[in-house]
Amino acid sequence: SYVLTQPPSVSVTPGETATITCEGSNIGRKSVQWYQQKPGQAPVLVIYYDTDRPSGIPERFSGSNSGNTATLTNSRVEAGDEADYYCQVWDSSGAHVVFGGGTKLTVL
Amino acid sequence: QVQLQESGPGVVKTSETLSLSCTVSGGSISGSPYYWGWIRQPPGRGLDWIGSMYYGGDTYYNPSLKSRVTISIDTSKNQFSLRLTSVTAADTAVFYCARHGGDHRIDSWGQGVLVTVSS
Repeated sequence: SYVLTQPPSVSVTPGETATITCEGSNIGRKSVQWYQQKPGQAPVLVIYYDTDRPSGIPERFSGSNSGNTATLTNSRVEAGDEADYYCQVWDSSGAHVVFGGGTKLTVL
Repeated sequence: QVQLQESGPGVVKTSETLSLSCTVSGGSISGSPYYWGWIRQPPGRGLDWIGSMYYGGDTYYNPSLKSRVTISIDTSKNQFSLRLTSVTAADTAVFYCARHGGDHRIDSWGQGVLVTVSS
């Protein structure tokens, strides 16, 4: 089955850039979604189709996807961005939704 | 905007069947080209996709759970349901119902319901 690998944690100071990676075999050929989950809340879609932002998501969130790595970037981290972030794809070969293990973003 | 709400018992006994429903409001399940699915999250852990059902009837399940899972849709109630048989403590989790389109972005989530499996 298809596997997505994320770093368990990323730490940044406010105003800095946070980068979270999601590794998978030829992930560049798939459409990647990213979700933000704050404690006690349901996940929220922040990036879809690799790079698109749903309405209401700040412009500081962006995404890219190439080769074996997809990336979520937060260009100016705020304290309120502290959360867990998950990447997700559809594995068409097995007809499955696949999530990465999640990355905890800590704002120092 | 569509809203989803899970309902069901908060405690299930070991070896029994977990049953949850998801009521959809603000939109119709039938005739909408969406997948209606379930995702769980054990305490302190990541998201685990359980399975989804396309509005046309096709179902897709996580291979690790396929033998124990059934997802069904009741269009008359605008609801869809999850059955997970032979539960153990490892099935304790927050269960989310969710919607995803043909592009498989999950654009709507329920608030989640904690189900504890206890002997």
